[in-house]
Amino acid sequence: AQSVSQHNHHVILSEAASLELGCNYSYGGTVNLFWYVQYPGQHLQLLLKYFSGDPLVKGIKGFEAEFIKSKFSFNLRKPSVQWSDTAEYFCAVTRSILTGGGNKLTFGTGTQLKVEL
Amino acid sequence: EAGVAQSPRYKIIEKRQSVAFWCNPISGHATLYWYQQILGQGPKLLIQFQNNGVVDDSQLPKDRFSAERLKGVDSTLKIQPAKLEDSAVYLCASRADPNTEAFFGQGTRLTVV
Repeated sequence: AQSVSQHNHHVILSEAASLELGCNYSYGGTVNLFWYVQYPGQHLQLLLKYFSGDPLVKGIKGFEAEFIKSKFSFNLRKPSVQWSDTAEYFCAVTRSILTGGGNKLTFGTGTQLKVEL
Repeated sequence: EAGVAQSPRYKIIEKRQSVAFWCNPISGHATLYWYQQILGQGPKLLIQFQNNGVVDDSQLPKDRFSAERLKGVDSTLKIQPAKLEDSAVYLCASRADPNTEAFFGQGTRLTVV
């Protein structure tokens, strides 16, 4: 069964600091990977996704993530965070349709990011 | 494009009462998911529909939870009877196909007292 691990549960940064949030998944086959963000009082929104191709994926608001297949990882990065990035971040995985994936979307436990002025 | 609609936004019930949540996915999206998100945890999949058929309900507590997606469009999730530990946000999401992302509704925050 597929699973996702997010190692950092709470992260506090000052504005302009660099961010890296860890995400590891368990499935050995081909996967599709996502980072979702939930701002306070809002619904889950897609930050970025990886399906195939360039393992370095760029998303909205200056976020990027790198898929490293050998490490089963899809870490999220941002060079310089802003106060408005305060939110909860979720990594998610589905098995690729190429490997008979059933479209099941599995989430990690989330990382609460607080950016201080 | 209209998003995923859920209602109600908030619900407070006493334990052992029943409650129902409604979800209207994005038009044309074949896959519909219901998730339970307990405070401090990630969304946990309860049930997944493909059109009007159930694909995965392995984590649905079937003794008290039920869900249906009549005609492959709207869906309802019911809890009967509710327990204190059912207090959570219930999220609905829809997805056009496996090559796209899922879109989420605002969720229904359930408090069982």
